[in-house]
Amino acid sequence: GQSLEQPSEVTAVEGAIVQINCTYQTSGFYGLSWYQQHDGGAPTFLSYNALDGLEETGRFSSFLSRSDSYGYLLLQELQMKDSASYFCAVRDRGFKTIFGAGTRLFVKA
Amino acid sequence: GAVVSQHPSRVICKSGTSVKIECRSLDFQATTMFWYRQFPKQSLMLMATSNEGSKATYEQGVEKDKFLINHASLTLSTLTVTSAHPEDSSFYICSARQGRGETQYFGPGTRLLVL
Repeated sequence: GQSLEQPSEVTAVEGAIVQINCTYQTSGFYGLSWYQQHDGGAPTFLSYNALDGLEETGRFSSFLSRSDSYGYLLLQELQMKDSASYFCAVRDRGFKTIFGAGTRLFVKA
Repeated sequence: GAVVSQHPSRVICKSGTSVKIECRSLDFQATTMFWYRQFPKQSLMLMATSNEGSKATYEQGVEKDKFLINHASLTLSTLTVTSAHPEDSSFYICSARQGRGETQYFGPGTRLLVL
């Protein structure tokens, strides 16, 4: 079967750094993606890791360890507008993208 | 970046009626489109994968006769919820992928409320 595990909620303060972890089990693996979704909106693509290591895009970074079936999204210099749900997603051998349950991030002033 | 539109954004219908939702890729050709369903505060559940010119591939547990998907062109896919019932009320989101690329571009979603 396929499963992705990520924390249901994370709370942090403005300006801080937060890490959202994701572990996965899939039949075939082609990469780990991260999406952001604000309440009532559609998901937007943040990052994609196909190989081990860290990918940095501005305040957001994403890490992958294929041997550990693990990745994380790192958000730096948190802003109030970062309050949203964050989904990790894996692309399996069928080229479908399967989403985790999502992590709700609450950023406090 | 790539833009995907969905229409309508919101629909309220009576139980037993059918509802058609359109998903369009506005500035690129989408070889593959995906349809998702999302309940409040839950994840996106993949319903089906649609490739242009061929039949959609439905996920386990999704009734193909109830959720009709047509991908008639490289820029348009439609989802028809037939004989809708209150339990079909949900947020339906489409996404499009260009070629074998990784990024999926999501439409803004359609909120369906069946009374």
